[in-house]
Amino acid sequence: IVLTQSPATLSVSPGERATLSCRASQSVSSNLAWYQQKPGQAPRLLIYGASTRATGIPARFSGSGSETEFTLTISSLQSEDFAIYYCQQSNNWPQFTFGPGTKVDVK
Amino acid sequence: QLQLQESGPGLVKPSETLSLTCTVSGVSMMTSSYYWAWIRQPPGKGLEWIGSIYYSGNTYYNSSLMSRVTMSLDTSKNYFSLKLSSLTAADTAVYYCASERIGMFDSWGQGSLVTVST
Repeated sequence: IVLTQSPATLSVSPGERATLSCRASQSVSSNLAWYQQKPGQAPRLLIYGASTRATGIPARFSGSGSETEFTLTISSLQSEDFAIYYCQQSNNWPQFTFGPGTKVDVK
Repeated sequence: QLQLQESGPGLVKPSETLSLTCTVSGVSMMTSSYYWAWIRQPPGKGLEWIGSIYYSGNTYYNSSLMSRVTMSLDTSKNYFSLKLSSLTAADTAVYYCASERIGMFDSWGQGSLVTVST
């Protein structure tokens, strides 16, 4: 299963809304997770099951979608949210794939 | 609190075998709640799942790397290991160990940079 993320780079001003897309080459049901990675750090789990926030993740992060189309929304970007975001599918467990990532940077 | 820490050589020669260890703290690896995974990231690129191992010793490998990967674990010492053979420059990456539950990777080590070079 191939995951495609768009856009590759998203330029957003602090306080604005950011909408990131992840598309799967075939249905992954709701078996999709989102991760945030900052430079020099390991990825951090944000969302699993397409829409469930992981422990400690702020409410400004939300996930939606199913089958082949998924969205990660950051309602009001904070300075600490500028990072690269990856989606990951687990529908054909135990073969996992990640998307190529979307970089969110300062406009 | 679950924590993971990778260890191993930072430089390996082409054609040789990479060996990395991940030490787990905060939870017993004997728990059936987790799988234990390796994921890598070439410099400036995206993430690639390498494989996962269960406390029973059952292993699951990325089909593209299967011929070169071996994972093992020692539940009594709470660590698991990765061996990747026949290395080339394309295997240069940061290697992460992580815990896996219901298809998601919820805790990660800090990562270990491995460079394949003479």
